[in-house]
Amino acid sequence: NAGVTQTPKFQVLKTGQSMTLQCAQDMNHEYMSWYRQDPGMGLRLIHYSVGAGITDQGEVPNGYNVSRSTTEDFPLRLLSAAPSQTSVYFCASYGVEGFLDYGYTFGSGTRLTVV
Amino acid sequence: SQKIEQNSEALNIQEGKTATLTCNYTNYSPAYLQWYRQDPGRGPVFLLLIRENEKEKRKERLKVTFDTTLKQSLFHITASQPADSATYLCALGSGAGSYQLTFGKGTKLSVIP
Repeated sequence: NAGVTQTPKFQVLKTGQSMTLQCAQDMNHEYMSWYRQDPGMGLRLIHYSVGAGITDQGEVPNGYNVSRSTTEDFPLRLLSAAPSQTSVYFCASYGVEGFLDYGYTFGSGTRLTVV
Repeated sequence: SQKIEQNSEALNIQEGKTATLTCNYTNYSPAYLQWYRQDPGRGPVFLLLIRENEKEKRKERLKVTFDTTLKQSLFHITASQPADSATYLCALGSGAGSYQLTFGKGTKLSVIP
């Protein structure tokens, strides 16, 4: 099983550019989330989804959009990149069944630098 | 506001000793607490979950305790090995149909041969 796949692994953007971070899972999990991880800040929730067609904001949603058209995919869009969005981004998926035994499954991350 | 504190940013320990990591929280009534391991350049990996009504949970060389009175969880790795070197994150969940987690900043454990 691939688990959670994130692409790209590395990306450099110029200020003002837009891009989409891809996330796909093959475990048929209902829930998916996007986090950013910054030094000294820990993981902070950006957006999450409880199922196809349903998304909601997390702690730090400004500057990001998400959509969930299928169970498998949960892309994160940066509308107009800013240096403050330089971070490592993690996608996670989790299912109701087995949550207490398996928790979240994270992707390997996308390291984004905005110059 | 909710706050999660992990005892220190870094912890060094000699191989073979027991490593103990601490997770304290305030302004929170978690239904469960999870521990994750994160290696450099990788995503966190789930290790253990302990519920509010459980005092202790074990998995191989790992032991987690949860004291809701002290608002604290302790994470122990017995007979530590250099391969246990990583950053360990605690995360709290409120339950009640929500699966959202709030993560601590992590403790970087280094096991010295």
